[in-house]
Amino acid sequence: DAKTTQPPSMDCAEGRAANLPCNHSTISGNEYVYWYRQIHSQGPQYIIHGLKNNETNEMASLIITEDRKSSTLILPHATLRDTAVYYCILVGKSSGDKLTFGTGTRLAVRP
Amino acid sequence: SAVISQKPSRDICQRGTSLTIQCQVDSQVTMMFWYRQQPGQSLTLIATANQGSEATYESGFVIDKFPISRPNLTFSTLTVSNMSPEDSSIYLCSVPHPSGGGEETQYFGPGTRLLVL
Repeated sequence: DAKTTQPPSMDCAEGRAANLPCNHSTISGNEYVYWYRQIHSQGPQYIIHGLKNNETNEMASLIITEDRKSSTLILPHATLRDTAVYYCILVGKSSGDKLTFGTGTRLAVRP
Repeated sequence: SAVISQKPSRDICQRGTSLTIQCQVDSQVTMMFWYRQQPGQSLTLIATANQGSEATYESGFVIDKFPISRPNLTFSTLTVSNMSPEDSSIYLCSVPHPSGGGEETQYFGPGTRLLVL
């Protein structure tokens, strides 16, 4: 069973920020929060990951709550090419690098 | 980053036949993963392929149905044996890659789209 919960779908307007939530209330101390996305007909693509601090890279920002029970992926200026399924995945030493994909959030960016 | 290619990119097969899917990586990696994505579904891990040892299969997947080879550190094959329409899926390979700070991310191949008639 996936250890994360995400809304099945969201939409946002092009140029606006897309905020994708993820609940992981049973996260353990050594588990990282990873985000991947899958654009239609392509393999999943790594976006960002974090342990407890907020992270930012050229693609997105990751905000993790202080209790680590939830997080939010932020795409600051969504474009049509960001339309994809976004997966929030917990990865820890016990998972041995294996990824357990949940159902993800299908993000639709509107022109 | 790692560059991963898969062959074939897609195929249409008759039931009862077998198809071997190839995964090639542009760098040497210890572990390679094989996933299946059934139509409209998320990805499910089939097995982990380590070079020099038998693949480790996840619950619900067996070696007789999905034999895996790992002849070297840059290549692996997954065979879908005795296919049925239920095997129609996208099959993807992935490799872990260091992302700094001791963590790893995974890079995925483009996938092989299989339709079994």
